[in-house]
Amino acid sequence: NAGVTQTPKFQVLKTGQSMTLQCAQDMNHNSMYWYRQDPGMGLRLIYYSASEGTTDKGEVPNGYNVSRLNKREFSLRLESAAPSQTSVYFCASAAGGETQYFGPGTRLLVL
Amino acid sequence: KNQVEQSPQSLIILEGKNCTLQCNYTVSPFSNLRWYKQDTGRGPVSLTIMTFSENTKSNGRYTATLDADTKQSSLHITASQLSDSASYICVVSGPNKFYFGSGTKLNVKP
Repeated sequence: NAGVTQTPKFQVLKTGQSMTLQCAQDMNHNSMYWYRQDPGMGLRLIYYSASEGTTDKGEVPNGYNVSRLNKREFSLRLESAAPSQTSVYFCASAAGGETQYFGPGTRLLVL
Repeated sequence: KNQVEQSPQSLIILEGKNCTLQCNYTVSPFSNLRWYKQDTGRGPVSLTIMTFSENTKSNGRYTATLDADTKQSSLHITASQLSDSASYICVVSGPNKFYFGSGTKLNVKP
């Protein structure tokens, strides 16, 4: 039981490049979330998926897209990376409104 | 506006001492409140969850309190250990949404 896994752990991009952050959970949770965490700030919700086949915007969705591929997997795509997207990205899953379980994070640096 | 504010922003204590972290919120309607511990370089991990009717909940050396009337919560750490060095995040659930505080960074020194 791995919980929530994220790949890659670390990535460096040049401005304008694209990439996809992968997230998978093996707890059969319906809800999955993508957050970013910047120094001195709380976790901010980018997108979430309440169930397979649905996605909704969070607090800071601009510059990102998501795909809920199946119940296990929820990916986050940066189409044209910008330095402002340098951050640590966390994926989380939950059984409805219950406790969220977080992955280890992806550290992204955009030059 | 739904907000969660935590204090202090950072705290340094000596190993073995106790400390208390504060969380004030304006989220309404309120569903529950969670405290998470986030070690450096890792994702947050849940410590406690409290609903409207609960005043106190313990998890080992961690004790959380909730006053739903004043919309305040505290996390008390007893007999701190070096491994308690981490950020502690207060998260308040409203309807279908989580509101995160910016966290208190605790440094326990030997």
